[in-house]
Amino acid sequence: AQSVAQPEDQVNVAEGNPLTVKCTYSVSGNPYLFWYVQYPNRGLQFLLKYITGDNLVKGSYGFEAEFNKSQTSFHLKKPSALVSDSALYFCAVGPTGGGNKLTFGTGTQLKVEL
Amino acid sequence: DVKVTQSSRYLVKRTGEKVFLECVQDMDHENMFWYRQDPGLGLRLIYFSYDVKMKEKGDIPEGYSVSREKKERFSLILESASTNQTSMYLCASGVSDGPNEKLFFGSGTQLSVL
Repeated sequence: AQSVAQPEDQVNVAEGNPLTVKCTYSVSGNPYLFWYVQYPNRGLQFLLKYITGDNLVKGSYGFEAEFNKSQTSFHLKKPSALVSDSALYFCAVGPTGGGNKLTFGTGTQLKVEL
Repeated sequence: DVKVTQSSRYLVKRTGEKVFLECVQDMDHENMFWYRQDPGLGLRLIYFSYDVKMKEKGDIPEGYSVSREKKERFSLILESASTNQTSMYLCASGVSDGPNEKLFFGSGTQLSVL
């Protein structure tokens, strides 16, 4: 069975500082990995995904994620955080070979302060 | 832009009532999903459908059923609502298409069962 873990319920960072939101995965075979963001009172929005290829994936709003096979991790990063990045972030894994049936993590609340 | 529309933003029902949550997407997507979102538990898959009149159980189908009579519409049914079904319900749609593969979410329905 596939699963993802987000070890931090909340991450606090000052505006302008780099941010990292952590995610580890467990899947047999090659993983399909995703990051989604949820702003208050909204549904989830797609940020980026890793299927194959470069280990550094670039996505929307200046976010990127680093795939590390040996550590089974897919951490979300941004070089300089904005207050408007404050939101709930979800990591997800899809079935090997594709398909939209995603398994989501528990979410990490990101708070960016002035 | 892809639009996934959920019929109600907030819904209050009584224990034992039959509840219908409606979801409509306008992008001719084959795949549709129902998740529930609870604090600390993330998103959990209830049911999904890869085609009209097709349905498959997700991870937590107990107490729920679904209907997909038309490609664009996917309904979630609570046969006899219970208080432990108080939650945020999210509908999503997408295609299994490699590079274009991602989910699009509705804004959610916050259901309270009293």
